[in-house]
Formats: sequence, structure tokens, C-alpha cells
Amino acid sequence: DSGVTQTPKHLITATGQRVTLRCSPRSGDLSVYWYQQSLDQGLQFLIQYYNGEERAKGNILERFSAQQFPDLHSELNLSSLELGDSALYFCASSARGGAKNIQYFGAGTRLSVL
Amino acid sequence: AQKITQTQPGMFVQEKEAVTLDCTYDTSDQSYGLFWYKQPSSGEMIFLIYQGSYDEQNATEGRYSLNFQKARKSANLVISASQLGDSAMYFCAMREESGTYKYIFGTGTRLKVLA
Repeated sequence: DSGVTQTPKHLITATGQRVTLRCSPRSGDLSVYWYQQSLDQGLQFLIQYYNGEERAKGNILERFSAQQFPDLHSELNLSSLELGDSALYFCASSARGGAKNIQYFGAGTRLSVL
Repeated sequence: AQKITQTQPGMFVQEKEAVTLDCTYDTSDQSYGLFWYKQPSSGEMIFLIYQGSYDEQNATEGRYSLNFQKARKSANLVISASQLGDSAMYFCAMREESGTYKYIFGTGTRLKVLA
């Protein structure tokens, strides 16, 4: 168990809908990262938050948004869903800085858009 | 631009034998981190091993070791005494040092351990 909690584990929805994925980082970790893993795109970095503030953006669509709350949990909002958004979405967390800055991943949320 | 390359889409290894999974990287940074993750069929990403660019010794974690050749920009994962439970997808990743610490992942190698 990595200590990173993601809910829900599975999500099935229809095109055009909006969903929210939730992530609780490991105790003490200030950074949260979101990744998307699809069959044709591999593992892609979406966005990073550090202590409530956005730190970096990757290949995140405008239809997607995220935030990190004062208690450090994070939510990834996906709207106007398309079939191509079906993927495994990972949240990872890491401690502040540090030489190693190992990211620990949650179990992922598998999103199926029908 | 930073890049991770894993050239072996799939590998087979006999149980109890050792196997090497290849990873090469490209970066202009002097300071960086290299990581290996395991993704079993259940889907979770499991951290295996870390190597810092300034570490002189190759990293080892139990049956996992990282063969780090800085001049060749390679960071191969060696799994000794393979077990059936080692069958999984393995990803090599590099950490950017730009302050974001985001990871760049390779495309992965699928390892199948044969009984």
C-alpha cells in the first residue's frame, strides 16, 4: 500500500458528462501529481500541485481542471467527456523537494466513457 | 528535451533466472533522478528503485539492481532470481530538475516469467 488513496476505483459514464476524481496524498506529502495512462499515449503527466498551488502543467486538456484543497487532498475534474478520455488516471504524491523526491502512486481510477 | 527510451516492448525470462530491462535517457541536466516502477495486471504503479545522477554506486533493492552507466546515459534494471510474480509491465522514469519534479516515463517493457 503506497499510502495514496484514489476514489473511485472505477467510473463508467457517458459522453458529454462530467466526473470528479479524488486523491488523498500520503501523510506529510505536499505535492500531488495527476497522470493519465491510455493504451495509445502511455503515461502522460497532466498537472502538479504543491501545497495548494498549481506548480506545473503538462498535457492537460482545457476540459480538465484540478485543484488541491487546504487539507492537501486533490480533485481532478473532467468535463464534456469524450470516448478518448477513457483511461486510467493516477494520482501520485511526494514530499517537499528532497534529493530523491520519490513519487508514490495511488491505485488509479479507471474511467470508461461510453 | 528530456526523453526516456525503452526499446524492449516485451521480454520473456525463465523462473529463477536473471533478466535485464533496458532504459536509456536523454537530458542536458547534470542533476536528475532515475526511477523504475512495476505495474502488474491489477494496474497499480509500484516504486522499485531509485538512482541519483551523482550516486557513484549502483542502486540495489533486494532482487532489484540498477545498472547505471552515466556516460552512456543508460539505467538498466536487473531483476535477479525471477519469480512468477515479477510478470508485469516495467516503466523507467526520469525526474525533471526544473523545480516541478514531474516525471517523464518510457513506454514500458512487458515482462513475462515462465515456469
